[in-house]
Amino acid sequence: EAQVTQNPRYLITVTGKKLTVTCSQNMNHEYMSWYRQDPGLGLRQIYYSMNVEVTDKGDVPEGYKVSRKEKRNFPLILESPSPNQTSLYFCASGELAGGGHEQYFGPGTRLTVT
Amino acid sequence: AQKVTQAQTEISVVEKEDVTLDCVYETRDTTYYLFWYKQPPSGELVFLIRRNSFDEQNEISGRYSWNFQKSTSSFNFTITASQVVDSAVYFCALSGGRLISGTYKYIFGTGTRLKVLA
Repeated sequence: EAQVTQNPRYLITVTGKKLTVTCSQNMNHEYMSWYRQDPGLGLRQIYYSMNVEVTDKGDVPEGYKVSRKEKRNFPLILESPSPNQTSLYFCASGELAGGGHEQYFGPGTRLTVT
Repeated sequence: AQKVTQAQTEISVVEKEDVTLDCVYETRDTTYYLFWYKQPPSGELVFLIRRNSFDEQNEISGRYSWNFQKSTSSFNFTITASQVVDSAVYFCALSGGRLISGTYKYIFGTGTRLKVLA
């Protein structure tokens, strides 16, 4: 089954404790991306990657890191989480067809930072 | 800069009514792509449609139709004869063509919550 998986689905942590949210896709997509969803703000792109070792900032990259060492995986790293990073996070992937790529989303990770 | 505006925060309709969700976008790219996604109460995000900037033909898929007008920078979504199962948050999104903007950023609107009442 074609899918994007994220782990964990729910996470409660404390300020400053480094964490990683994993994302994996089995569709051989070049493009992968991370978003955060907050009430009233819609989805905002954090980082995206167009292929292995190629990443770029979205609109809200501060406080986050990513890496793309393998095509299928795109982990999101919060080196020192803060309460303002409490949010619902989505990973997505898509084919890089000249930019007009629909995205397939993971189920979401709800993160709470206390 | 690219921007997507969904001015309607929430819409409530009675089942079988038609409803139009508005989307207005801003971009300086000559090549760009527009999308609609649905987020039902269960939370997943589901792709509905993609349009490129060179194709202004309207599209119909069952009860769903989309009206793309470059002259007004709008990409509106109409649901005909709405049903309770259409209740969801709907997002409009814009992606730039890399050749011009140099970016594959994806910009989402803030979403419109549609409530269809039985």
